[in-house]
Amino acid sequence: DAKTTQPNSMESNEEEPVHLPCNHSTISGTDYIHWYRQLPSQGPEYVIHGLTSNVNNRMASLAIAEDRKSSTLILHRATLRDAAVYYCMGMTTDSWGKFQFGAGTQVVVTP
Amino acid sequence: NAGVTQTPKFQVLKTGQSMTLQCAQDMNHNSMYWYRQDPGMGLRLIYYSASEGTTDKGEVPNGYNVSRLNKREFSLRLESAAPSQTSVYFCASRRLSGGPTDTQYFGPGTRLTVL
Repeated sequence: DAKTTQPNSMESNEEEPVHLPCNHSTISGTDYIHWYRQLPSQGPEYVIHGLTSNVNNRMASLAIAEDRKSSTLILHRATLRDAAVYYCMGMTTDSWGKFQFGAGTQVVVTP
Repeated sequence: NAGVTQTPKFQVLKTGQSMTLQCAQDMNHNSMYWYRQDPGMGLRLIYYSASEGTTDKGEVPNGYNVSRLNKREFSLRLESAAPSQTSVYFCASRRLSGGPTDTQYFGPGTRLTVL
């Protein structure tokens, strides 16, 4: 699985966009990039995933660099409910769904 | 749908005691996973079951055993608890056995303290 590197923490004001970077320079051509988030005292929850092209869903957007060595999760308008730890992880075809969680990025949203 | 449920929510054990953490999912998922999360850290995989009848070790299996009782249930057993096993334990499930795109669903966790 691809090793990923994320900043320890990021701060944002409410209603402003948040751009969360993730470096995955060892990613292979068939690894998908997954993002999960963990709200305080809860289990992780799925946010978004992608392979090559940018992806959008109701929670966020995922922008994947052309060389696939990095990606950015975009929360378009941060709310206080978006305060969480965000994890970026690679997933290969033969991983049997096993994620390798790093420490993630703690997002702090200020009113 | 209840999703993934875990029991108990909290547990305090003394060193050397044994206990079983229960996990059940009602989504007809093939794969199930047990993770642990120590304070300030990401989750680490203990054991997983890619399909009913199979189990495999993850990153930190020592001191644990698992049973995939049926397609719905996947239990984690601590035979002789140690203070180093104080952690929050999360169970997760996934519809497919393999493939890189499937979403994983997590339970609410069990907070275990070993004195």
